Amino acid sequence: GESVGLHLPTLSVQEGDNSIINCAYSNSASDYFIWYKQESGKGPQFIIDIRSNMDKRQGQRVTVLLNKTVKHLSLQIAATQPGDSAVYFCAETSSLYNTNAGKSTFGDGTTLTVKP
Amino acid sequence: ETGVTQTPRHLVMGMTNKKSLKCEQHLGHNAMYWYKQSAKKPLELMFVYSLEERVENNSVPSRFSPECPNSSHLFLHLHTLQPEDSALYLCASSQDRGLATDTQYFGPGTRLTVL
Repeated sequence: GESVGLHLPTLSVQEGDNSIINCAYSNSASDYFIWYKQESGKGPQFIIDIRSNMDKRQGQRVTVLLNKTVKHLSLQIAATQPGDSAVYFCAETSSLYNTNAGKSTFGDGTTLTVKP
Repeated sequence: ETGVTQTPRHLVMGMTNKKSLKCEQHLGHNAMYWYKQSAKKPLELMFVYSLEERVENNSVPSRFSPECPNSSHLFLHLHTLQPEDSALYLCASSQDRGLATDTQYFGPGTRLTVL
């Protein structure tokens, strides 16, 4: 279940496999990045974030990788479960936006489907 | 579940109607947001309120009018909408004054259909 380097609108994986979801961002000034998960009928939910002074951050079963050289962000989900089925999207913003509150740019989502 | 509730969950309205969307957060946060989520398009920020003061208005048409009477409640008043305004309208809140790096907590959204 990989889509390395490319943003794909859909990704289908087998339960237990690892998933990789990609996101490209455009603003070189962005220094803070977030991944959200949105399940059907619900609002987006924060999963994990990363600042530009890092290139990797790990959470529970999720890892975010940041490549500032090519402005690329990825979310890795280990041992994907049916409950991981959702739309995943990234957001980029800049800590310079302390006076322009909440100004984030959101990416196109990837719909992850986990097959049992 | 997230501490942010929205009503109604679904709304169908004609182009001449006036309706309001309501958002309430039970998290003690100071900033609240309205977003529009259309099919096949990224999330779009519409309005931001910090401590009940509007601090961001992303060139939203005047047929959308926000109101924030206190830090726990946010409304979006709708009038003379167009069919292209049909979308999922999401409310969010964050703890501090709406800093870009604040974690935002989203409500479930109101699915709006304009006929």
